[in-house]
Amino acid sequence: QVQLVQSGAEVKKPGASVKVSCEASGYTFRSYAIHWVRQAPGQRLEWMGWINTDNGNTKYSQRFQGRVTITRDTTASTAYLDLSSLRSEDTAVYYCARDEGLTALDYWGQGTLVTVSS
Amino acid sequence: DIQMSQSPSSLSASVGDRVTITCRASQSISSYLHWYQQKPGKPPKLLIYPASSFHSGVPSRFSGSGSGTDFTLTINSLQPEDFATYYCQQGYNAPYTFGQGTKVEIK
Repeated sequence: QVQLVQSGAEVKKPGASVKVSCEASGYTFRSYAIHWVRQAPGQRLEWMGWINTDNGNTKYSQRFQGRVTITRDTTASTAYLDLSSLRSEDTAVYYCARDEGLTALDYWGQGTLVTVSS
Repeated sequence: DIQMSQSPSSLSASVGDRVTITCRASQSISSYLHWYQQKPGKPPKLLIYPASSFHSGVPSRFSGSGSGTDFTLTINSLQPEDFATYYCQQGYNAPYTFGQGTKVEIK
């Protein structure tokens, strides 16, 4: 069965960087793009960016331009989200999700809580 | 960016009720509109995409309609497991923005 398993919770200080992983199983990794979406406490879902897992092409939300990098390791069927220059407003649960096509996100990781606090 | 707005933001309903949630885009998104259900502490689940097709395993009491800028999600005969927050998302142009959510609570 399709599964996306994310790395564990992180606590970071302002100005630091965080890297969250998303390991896929149960399907051909390179056949589906991976998106990253975050959700701050009590807030709506916020799309951050996506990666074409086949050729590595990426697209990011302008809100995070310059701070976010999405990469993938096809040999490990894993996608990664790097977010730098963290601030308190980046405290959120970060999700990876598979794009079934048409940018509908059909399978999601369990979420990774990133807390930014001094 | 395309802005997505949902109404209502919350509603109270009883088991067996019919519930309708609307989602409006700030510009035409054709049929690139997806609906998700989220329960507390869990990731969202895809229900309907694009606009009116079911994701596998989604009960037939859920239905979606609309195109252009106005869309609806209808839940016929609300069940106890349907109490959750529902989000729409446009898949037309990046950034693929979400609505603010509609929380369906038990009356």
